[in-house]
Amino acid sequence: DAMVIQNPRYQVTQFGKPVTLSCSQTLNHNVMYWYQQKSSQAPKLLFHYYDKDFNNEADTPDNFQSRRPNTSFCFLDIRSPGLGDAAMYLCATSRGLLGTGSYEQYFGPGTRLTVT
Amino acid sequence: AQSVTQLDSQVPVFEEAPVELRCNYSSSVSVYLFWYVQYPNQGLQLLLKYLSGSTLVKGINGFEAEFNKSQTSFHLRKPSVHISDTAEYFCAVSEGQAGTALIFGKGTTLSVSS
Repeated sequence: DAMVIQNPRYQVTQFGKPVTLSCSQTLNHNVMYWYQQKSSQAPKLLFHYYDKDFNNEADTPDNFQSRRPNTSFCFLDIRSPGLGDAAMYLCATSRGLLGTGSYEQYFGPGTRLTVT
Repeated sequence: AQSVTQLDSQVPVFEEAPVELRCNYSSSVSVYLFWYVQYPNQGLQLLLKYLSGSTLVKGINGFEAEFNKSQTSFHLRKPSVHISDTAEYFCAVSEGQAGTALIFGKGTTLSVSS
């Protein structure tokens, strides 16, 4: 089945130690998103890639970066995690067509990040 | 700017009872509306969506929702819930352009007990 895969499902890192979360998809969607979801809160968009074009949300901290080496993979890098970065990180994809909307987004299972 | 309000943070119901989870949105443009479900420590699964056409939308697991443009609402309903429906439910809105964020409500926790 086509899907969005996130690894690892659980990640523990130390305060200030860089960490990378990964996302892959077999849907062949050209748009990939990273959301941050803190406990008991709604997901919040950090940034997205439309094809190779990176689009950062205005309030996303510089501490968060992303890479998309190809259509299938996208990475979230947290350069110096703080305690406040502990959250569930959700990857999502959608099919964006030029001149039309992308409608629904398909989510992976998420990676729960703990910062010690 | 778009926003979504889920009017109930928690909804406790008994098994086999009907349930309605309420969602109101605000937007100055045409929107697309979604309901997602999230089980503990899992990602979001799409329940149903309204893009255009019939205002009554049927989704998976027996859920349905009705789009009401005049009241800017998109309430989710199920005539008879099961224990397995216990989860967090998020209403979301999008302008539909590729790459735009889904704007989520704060979520409603549905707790079904026997």
